[in-house]
Parts: sequence; C-alpha cells; structure tokens
Amino acid sequence: DTGVSQDPRHKITKRGQNVTFRCDPISEHNRLYWYRQTLGQGPEFLTYFQNEAQLEKSRLLSDRFSAERPKGSFSTLEIQRTEQGDSAMYLCASIRQGNTEAFFGQGTRLTVV
Amino acid sequence: GENVEQHPSTLSVQEGDSAVIKCTYSDSASNYFPWYKQELGKRPQLIIDIRSNVGEKKDQRIAVTLNKTAKHFSLHITETQPEDSAVYFCAGHPDMRFGAGTRLTVKP
Repeated sequence: DTGVSQDPRHKITKRGQNVTFRCDPISEHNRLYWYRQTLGQGPEFLTYFQNEAQLEKSRLLSDRFSAERPKGSFSTLEIQRTEQGDSAMYLCASIRQGNTEAFFGQGTRLTVV
Repeated sequence: GENVEQHPSTLSVQEGDSAVIKCTYSDSASNYFPWYKQELGKRPQLIIDIRSNVGEKKDQRIAVTLNKTAKHFSLHITETQPEDSAVYFCAGHPDMRFGAGTRLTVKP
C-alpha cells in the first residue's frame, strides 16, 4: 500500500499517560495535516506542515499536544498527560507539491480510560 | 485559517431525488473549493472540487457550483442512490479546515 500510513491503528491508554502517533505520508507529498475526529463530527484541524516547517497550529490545541516533522517526511503527534476527552480518531492527510487533493490515512483510534 | 460553515447538518432524501449541500467561506482570496465524502468507518475521500475561475463543474451525478460574490459553494447530487449515504464535508484551502459535515441519508 503506497497510501498514507498511520501507526498504531488503535491505542488504549490510561489517563495521564503520554502517547505518540506516527504518520507516513505518500512519498513526495510535501504538505502534511493532522486532524482529530469524534463520532458524528467533521475532522477538526490540529496542525499542518509544509516540508519540515509547521505552518499553522489550531488555537484549540492545548500545550499538551505537539507535532513534529523533523526531516520533512514522516510526522509524529504526541499527547502528554492524556485526558478522557482526548479519546477520538486522529487522522493524518498529505498533499503533493503543486496539487490540491488530500489523501487520508486510516487513522489512529485513541481510547483514554 | 479559512473558516467554512456547512448546511444542513443532516439531509434525508428519497432515492432518485436530488440533494444540495451548501458551504460558505470567509476569505475572499480563496481559490479552491473541495468536497469530501466519508462513508461509515472509512477515511474521507475527495469527490469533486472547483477552482475560482469557473462557476460550475460536473462529474456524472455530482456537481459543484461556486458563487464568489456571495462566498459560497454547493454540492449537488442528482438521482441519489442508497450508496450516496455518507457524511459530506467541504474544506478551506490551503489549511484544509473542514466544515462540520452533512449526514446524507438516501432512503430506498
């Protein structure tokens, strides 16, 4: 599969623990986006990167959330001190330079117990 | 970032009828307007998009229209089928902020 890959697919963690998710975009896609989606809602924008530069971060994103894309390829999203309200599907999408269509990964479903 | 508002939040139609979903945007400099479809348990996928230099684009049973003056664009689905049942999202560009979604149900 040469699409956007996310790992893990599912994560169950205890409240207060830190979690890290990984996204591997399609090769040569320079823009990468992170979203959070809860049941019945649209994907909520979290942040996006152009190559390794983080260009925008949602004001809704607390300081417990951080994302990196150190070499302009894969990206990680870390949530520190998880809360039950963080339970959601975390989606990653990538877009090729000069193009407009976003390709989504299958997501990481986080459950905080 | 570009904020988009989408209406209605739910839409139920009879098979064969048409469905229209509307999205308004705030940034008059926006020049690209996509629509994504998300089936239950699946990832969003682009179904149609339009650029600001045209007013309408069609692809078989789906079409998108753009009104730059009023700053809104709409998704039109004709001859709806049960497999059109899904959640549809518009998005801004380039920050790709999504609307809240419209849950379309096509009743057989």
